[in-house]
Amino acid sequence: GENVEQHPSTLSVQEGDSAVIKCTYSDSASNYFPWYKQELGKGPQLIIDIRSNVGEKKDQRIAVTLNKTAKHFSLHITETQPEDSAVYFCAAKTGGFKTIFGAGTRLFVKA
Amino acid sequence: KAGVTQTPRYLIKTRGQQVTLSCSPISGHRSVSWYQQTPGQGLQFLFEYFSETQRNKGNFPGRFSGRQFSNSRSEMNVSTLELGDSALYLCASSLQGGADNEQFFGPGTRLTVL
Repeated sequence: GENVEQHPSTLSVQEGDSAVIKCTYSDSASNYFPWYKQELGKGPQLIIDIRSNVGEKKDQRIAVTLNKTAKHFSLHITETQPEDSAVYFCAAKTGGFKTIFGAGTRLFVKA
Repeated sequence: KAGVTQTPRYLIKTRGQQVTLSCSPISGHRSVSWYQQTPGQGLQFLFEYFSETQRNKGNFPGRFSGRQFSNSRSEMNVSTLELGDSALYLCASSLQGGADNEQFFGPGTRLTVL
């Protein structure tokens, strides 16, 4: 069935360093890949997304890359700040109106 | 513009009872999806509704059901509650629910089953 694997489950970085989270999806029909940030007590919030016809997208300190052949996509956060500490989820969506989420990565940014 | 609202925010029930959770989407959004979030299983898709019709369903038992009203508000119901149903239930809305429609999540309803 459809599956999204996400690594690592926990990531600890020093403030100012970069953080990279990687995901792999199984359904080759997936064509939309959003990334969400979830802070304590809140629902997930979309931070960046990429469509299958694009290889890379950047928004200030956040970038996402997609390799359709390998079915990999990654989130890159540069110049991390303490407020980046949260749980990050990758997801994959097909035209079937169903979004499959990765298990999440807990990011700690140490000041 | 008001965000997605979910009521109640917290619920405590006992095994065997049933529960109904409510979700009000962002104004103008017609698609509502429900997810179950647990520490062990992450975010699991329950079902998606659009114009009062269920378009897709996840792999949950029939005890989990939902519906959507003509104003796009949605409810989900869990009958014969089990301890394992304890979770954060999240609702998300989007304009049409299509592959590139951004989903906006509510804060969730935390259900505890004793």
